[in-house]
Parts: sequence; C-alpha cells; structure tokens
Amino acid sequence: SAVISQKPSRDICQRGTSLTIQCQVDSQVTMMFWYRQQPGQSLTLIATANQGSEATYESGFVIDKFPISRPNLTFSTLTVSNMSPEDSSIYLCSVRDVNGRDNEQFFGPGTRLTVL
Amino acid sequence: EDQVTQSPEALRLQEGESSSLNCSYTVSGLRGLFWYRQDPGKGPEFLFTLYSAGEEKEKERLKATLTKKESFLHITAPKPEDSATYLCAVQAVSGGSNYKLTFGKGTLLTVNP
Repeated sequence: SAVISQKPSRDICQRGTSLTIQCQVDSQVTMMFWYRQQPGQSLTLIATANQGSEATYESGFVIDKFPISRPNLTFSTLTVSNMSPEDSSIYLCSVRDVNGRDNEQFFGPGTRLTVL
Repeated sequence: EDQVTQSPEALRLQEGESSSLNCSYTVSGLRGLFWYRQDPGKGPEFLFTLYSAGEEKEKERLKATLTKKESFLHITAPKPEDSATYLCAVQAVSGGSNYKLTFGKGTLLTVNP
C-alpha cells in the first residue's frame, strides 16, 4: 500500500491568515483527495486533486477558500485561506492505490489545524 | 444523496466479549463499502472493501459482512489493542470517475482488560 506523509502534522494559526498543507506519496497514484474531519462530524471530501488540471470541488467547498495544487503524481498541496475558527479541523490527504488489485483508498496521518 | 449511519456511537466490551458494529447505508448504486480503523491522533487505517451482498472478508479478529442495506463488523474475542474508532464509508457508482467516500460518524470501541 502507498505510504503517505503530510506536513505540518499540526499548527496553530491566527484568524485571517492562510496555511498550506503538503501531501507526499511514496509512489505514483492517479487519484488524490483532500478530506476534512471536524470534531464530532464525519469525514467529508473537500476536493479531488487532479494532476495537470484544476481540482474538482464538492458542494460547499470553493477554490478561493481551499486552493489545491497537484504538480505531479506523488505530491499535492491544500491551502486553507483567510482562516476563521470554524476552519479548525483535521485535514487528511487520501489516495486511491493505482497498483492495487482491489479498490483501496488510503489516508495520510492528517494535519491538525487550530485557528484562534 | 448517499447516507451512512453507524451504530452504536460507542461500545464498551470486556476482553474476549465478542460483538458487532452496524453500518446502515443508502446509496444510488454501490461501488464499494469500506471499513477503516482510526486511532486517536492518526489517520484512518484501511481494513476492508466489500462490493456485493453476501460478501465477507476477515482480518485477524475482524470479519466484515455486507447486505443490500447494511454491513456488520464482527469482532471476535477482542483485545484491548482493538480499542479504536471504526469508520464505515460507501463509494457510489456515479459518473464513472467519482471515487468519493461518504463516511458515517464512526463507532468508538473500548475493550477493557
């Protein structure tokens, strides 16, 4: 299975600032995703990061707030822009393993964000 | 809209006391049903994908089963190290290239020694 790392693992930020989260995979994967896990809530898909084209956002999430880059098949970034306390959450990178014979989706360790 | 409901929200067991977790779902067309384990402060760890009613998969003390409306995660003779939050998610057949997972809120399992 793919090994996924994220940076930073956690951060505390001030309202109005932006934070960029990095996701690195140890092998090439066709599909990368960004999820959010808010306290007491289900994991929710923010967007699918597409290599070489704009990300595909889910309802309720917009590019201006959560710009995403995917320069190659092993790396992606998610920026949380103009943060407010409501953005305090765990942000998770996920990949669909292109080499797997089965339909498997793996998650990184997450980035715990606190906005003051 | 795809929906996933997990029950119970929390379950406390004694070591060796077998039980089951439930995942009820509604989806337009099921591509796969996923089970994950999540430990505090960590990302979800993939356990199983089930595809069609009647399918079963096992891993150590865990066995997942699937019907057309729900999935069960059976835990046989659990140990304290099985304590975690167990997450269920569905992936719908829609548009061919959409691999979105829709998650339930999870079941927090505590196994006491």
